[in-house]
Amino acid sequence: GAVVSQHPSWVICKSGTSVKIECRSLDFQATTMFWYRQFPKQSLMLMATSNEGSKATYEQGVEKDKFLINHASLTLSTLTVTSAHPEDSSFYICSARDGGDSSYEQYFGPGTRLTVT
Amino acid sequence: AQSVTQLGSHVSVSEGALVLLRCNYSSSVPPYLFWYVQYPNQGLQLLLKYTTGATLVKGINGFEAEFKKSETSFHLTKPSAHMSDAAEYFCAVSERGQGFSFIFGKGTRLLVKP
Repeated sequence: GAVVSQHPSWVICKSGTSVKIECRSLDFQATTMFWYRQFPKQSLMLMATSNEGSKATYEQGVEKDKFLINHASLTLSTLTVTSAHPEDSSFYICSARDGGDSSYEQYFGPGTRLTVT
Repeated sequence: AQSVTQLGSHVSVSEGALVLLRCNYSSSVPPYLFWYVQYPNQGLQLLLKYTTGATLVKGINGFEAEFKKSETSFHLTKPSAHMSDAAEYFCAVSERGQGFSFIFGKGTRLLVKP
């Protein structure tokens, strides 16, 4: 149980275009989803927290107009990188929690490798 | 404020040797503690977690960790390293008072020599 998927697993896009990454909880309802960014050989950096049906809360320094997050249902959150630039190339990981007795835990997706050329 | 410190960005062991990866945390209350493993270009895989109860926690792949409140530590060990254990390991803390947000350590890369 507690499986989180991400799609696509890797994507290459041209500078100036937008790309959408999906995060799905497959066997539970995710009241909260998190988006992380990971640079090579570094730890995960929390970008934003999203609750179903409400606006995402962005961490300091993360541009909300550039990284659009939509948590439209209890099983789906999307991250759209708008007007992507090479410096946006990174590994993006989402996670989800179910809001029940195990709210202290997050279940992580497999990650999406974004390369902007 | 919460913080997680992983001592040693790289740890190298010989195959068959003991693995010890260190994690110390700072928290005003007993937190929830996690160890994750990450292989290249993959997401995080949960190795083990401490919530309440027994302080020695056993996880997958022969790993275990002990929560020591007095030392604010949660070190990860494995008696005998295998080549397949070579990966990046992250310690993380979650705390109710912080909305269960995760705080990650910077990670430790485990190298296993044949």
